[in-house]
Amino acid sequence: QVHLVQSGAEVKKPGSSVRVSCKASGGTFSSQTISWVRQAPGQGLEWIGGITPMFGTPKYAQKFQGRVTIIADESTSTDYMELSSLRSDDTALYYCANLRGSWNDNWLDPWGQGTLVTVSS
Amino acid sequence: SSELTQDPAVSVALGQTVRITCQGDSLRTYSASWYQQKPGQAPVLVIYGKHNRPSGIPDRISGSSSGNTASLTITGAQAEDEADYYCNSRDSSGYHAVFGGGTKLTVL
Repeated sequence: QVHLVQSGAEVKKPGSSVRVSCKASGGTFSSQTISWVRQAPGQGLEWIGGITPMFGTPKYAQKFQGRVTIIADESTSTDYMELSSLRSDDTALYYCANLRGSWNDNWLDPWGQGTLVTVSS
Repeated sequence: SSELTQDPAVSVALGQTVRITCQGDSLRTYSASWYQQKPGQAPVLVIYGKHNRPSGIPDRISGSSSGNTASLTITGAQAEDEADYYCNSRDSSGYHAVFGGGTKLTVL
């Protein structure tokens, strides 16, 4: 049973970067796909991107291309999501989640507890 | 704008049946999964593979799919079912994931 634990809340200045971590336990890290999802206050869920360590190349939503970097550190079974050039509308809860299933039938389970990122001057 | 469309809000009387739908062309190829989110909590998977329930999810919650529409049905809604519900699948390219805008379910 996979278990995901995320890093703590962050407060950042506009224009800076934030890195959120997601430590996985209970599964085979190299074959796990971890997706990142965010939720702005009072808003819906938004997919940011994901990575499978054994395949290496991450996928990013077009909206975040050029501003987001997702990496997987197999030595510590930890995934990282770094978002740069932060703006106030990046203020959100950021979740990691384990993607399971097949190419045309997949789902996110379990989810991390979420990391609040606040962007404020 | 999302490639998956959900009604923003739905209400149901206690004990009655409610259906929440998710529409999108990609659903003809890719299955939808459903998530329940209560205030202050992370989303929880309630339906995967169109109609499968994870352990611990009550059997009054069910899923189905036809054409470009996936549905979540709650039969005999309870007060604890009041939550936001999101569908999730692939976009039309199949390369990226996408969420519906979410449906706020109110149990009256």
